[in-house]
Amino acid sequence: QSALTQPASVSGSPGQSITISCAGTSSDVGAYDYVAWYQQRPDKAPTLLIFGVTRRPSGVSFRFSGSRSGNTASLTISGLHAEDEATYYCSSYTAYNTYVFGTGTEVTVL
Amino acid sequence: QVQLLQSGAEVKEPGASVIISCRTSGYTFTSYSVQWMRQAPGQRLEWLGWFNAGTGHIRYSQKLQGRATFLIDTSASTAFLALTRLTSEDTAVYFCARDLPDTGFFDYWGQGTQVTVSS
Repeated sequence: QSALTQPASVSGSPGQSITISCAGTSSDVGAYDYVAWYQQRPDKAPTLLIFGVTRRPSGVSFRFSGSRSGNTASLTISGLHAEDEATYYCSSYTAYNTYVFGTGTEVTVL
Repeated sequence: QVQLLQSGAEVKEPGASVIISCRTSGYTFTSYSVQWMRQAPGQRLEWLGWFNAGTGHIRYSQKLQGRATFLIDTSASTAFLALTRLTSEDTAVYFCARDLPDTGFFDYWGQGTQVTVSS
């Protein structure tokens, strides 16, 4: 099972919006609503940002939003803050009864 | 509050085995699955598998090729990952996480356990 494809890095200035893509296939991202996004800071465990493609857990800022078009999911961070600097991973359940993570995207706030 | 507390760092020689524990609290252990992931230095997250603590259903990733065993101690609300025939490619931080079955996301994670395989 190959990893989902994400851009290696995305950057933006404070206050801007950025979007991270997560390209999968019709056997994972495009097949189920079990797409999630995680934020990981250096030497820390990941934390859940988005689940069910578009849903936000309580306590997660409204500046984070998820969407999907076909086999590609996306995470948008609106009003970029310095604290948003981290690595972001998407994940999806697959048709093989497994999970797969994305390659990870490092976000830099300029 | 929900917590997953993992065991401490391990250093092992190639060919050895390791057991990592994940002690949970703050929720009904048997209502959730425990997912296992790892992250090699500078690399992405890799999914390893899950243990449904309610049904006993287990799923392993193909990559582990029979070297991994998931166990649970329901009385202690603790999950375990045992990995045998270690090689340098197993050097990674290993994470456990909580998963409500059939929801597709992992909402609480352990702090991670560093496993280093070196001669």
